Amino acid sequence: QVQLQQWGAGLLKPSETLSLTCAVYGGSFNGFYWSWIRQSPDKGLEWIGEITHKKATNYNPSLTSRVTISVDTSKNQFSLKVNSVTAADTAVYYCARGRKAVLRATFLYYGMDVWGQGTTVTVSS
Amino acid sequence: QSVLTQPPSASGTPGQTVTISCSGSTSNIGTNTVIWYQHLPGTAPNLLIYNNNQRPAGVPDRFSGSKSGTSASLAISGLQSEDEANYYCAAWDDSLNGHVVFGGGTKLTVL
Repeated sequence: QVQLQQWGAGLLKPSETLSLTCAVYGGSFNGFYWSWIRQSPDKGLEWIGEITHKKATNYNPSLTSRVTISVDTSKNQFSLKVNSVTAADTAVYYCARGRKAVLRATFLYYGMDVWGQGTTVTVSS
Repeated sequence: QSVLTQPPSASGTPGQTVTISCSGSTSNIGTNTVIWYQHLPGTAPNLLIYNNNQRPAGVPDRFSGSKSGTSASLAISGLQSEDEANYYCAAWDDSLNGHVVFGGGTKLTVL
């Protein structure tokens, strides 16, 4: 059974860089879209971006200027960096496994079916 | 402001059927399939529905999804107390190189 285990610094000061890593255990790393999602206090879910084992990325247009997602296939891990954080970046951050397919020329997004446990990140001076 | 629009709250009594709506546009729901997540506080979100109306293994058939045009709905029948949670719709959006968009979430209260 696939499990995602994530870790990273939980307390940052404004202007610092947020850095989180997610390790994939018990399943294939290839063929999936490894994603980061966050939930700010009292707000809904926000998709941050995704990466494949071939290092192809997609980012949320509202965050793309500050976000970098990378992958280390030798360790079955992927990472998130968010530059120049502010209080607005305070959130619970999740990593997750996404699935897509193309069937008879039709693109299908199947959502994220395996999630990490979440990491609370607080940005405060 | 979320790209997909959901009612902020919904409620029902045990045994009832509750429906949660999700409204989008041609670049997301109108073109792509809809996903629903259940999110209990303090836990990771759980995939409830994918491909508009498909349930992953282990999700009870009390949960069902539908889509029409640029809108979608999640129906929960035989409401149970453990269904009290936040529910989010999501979809792939084809604009701006493609990305995932979420609804703002609906807090379901079981009275």
